[in-house]
Amino acid sequence: EDQVTQSPEALRLQEGESSSLNCSYTVSGLRGLFWYRQDPGKGPEFLFTLYSAGEEKEKERLKATLTKKESFLHITAPKPEDSATYLCFLTDSWGKLQFGAGTQVVVTP
Amino acid sequence: GAVVSQHPSRVICKSGTSVKIECRSLDFQATTMFWYRQFPKQSLMLMATSNEGSKATYEQGVEKDKFLINHASLTLSTLTVTSAHPEDSSFYICSALRGYHDTGELFFGEGSRLTVL
Repeated sequence: EDQVTQSPEALRLQEGESSSLNCSYTVSGLRGLFWYRQDPGKGPEFLFTLYSAGEEKEKERLKATLTKKESFLHITAPKPEDSATYLCFLTDSWGKLQFGAGTQVVVTP
Repeated sequence: GAVVSQHPSRVICKSGTSVKIECRSLDFQATTMFWYRQFPKQSLMLMATSNEGSKATYEQGVEKDKFLINHASLTLSTLTVTSAHPEDSSFYICSALRGYHDTGELFFGEGSRLTVL
């Protein structure tokens, strides 16, 4: 059965304390893996798309990496404004969207 | 960047009435749009895939007659919650696909919070 699992469910960080979020998947053929951030009461905001194992993308304090089994979202020296729920989802070989449950990140000053 | 506009952002209605939510892609044509429902502190739940000019594809467990989806143009999809009841209260989000499933990007609307009294 295709699955997308995000861990941890919640993460509390001190400002400046780097960490990583995990998105592991088992799907029949990965077309694209997406990372989004979502603030409460708002729609998800696009961060990255990764298409193949070994691919990496960076944006400010965020870096996303992809292997054949999982993707990591690294947050380097986070700031309070990085507090959000980070969502991982992907499209499989059938073009079907598969969602992770999200990781809620809270960064305290 | 691409923008997807959703309207209204908040709506309160009486039980038994119908509510329409619009999703527009403002600067690109979207042959495919998606509708989601989100419960508090939970991830998105895909309700249906909307393809321009054809019937929407609903996910298992989603009532077609309850949640009517119309994708009449390449920039507009609508979700109508018919005969709404308090259990339909939720945060509804749409997204529009720019490009193809394997190389495209998904852009999300800001969401519509429906409260049914």
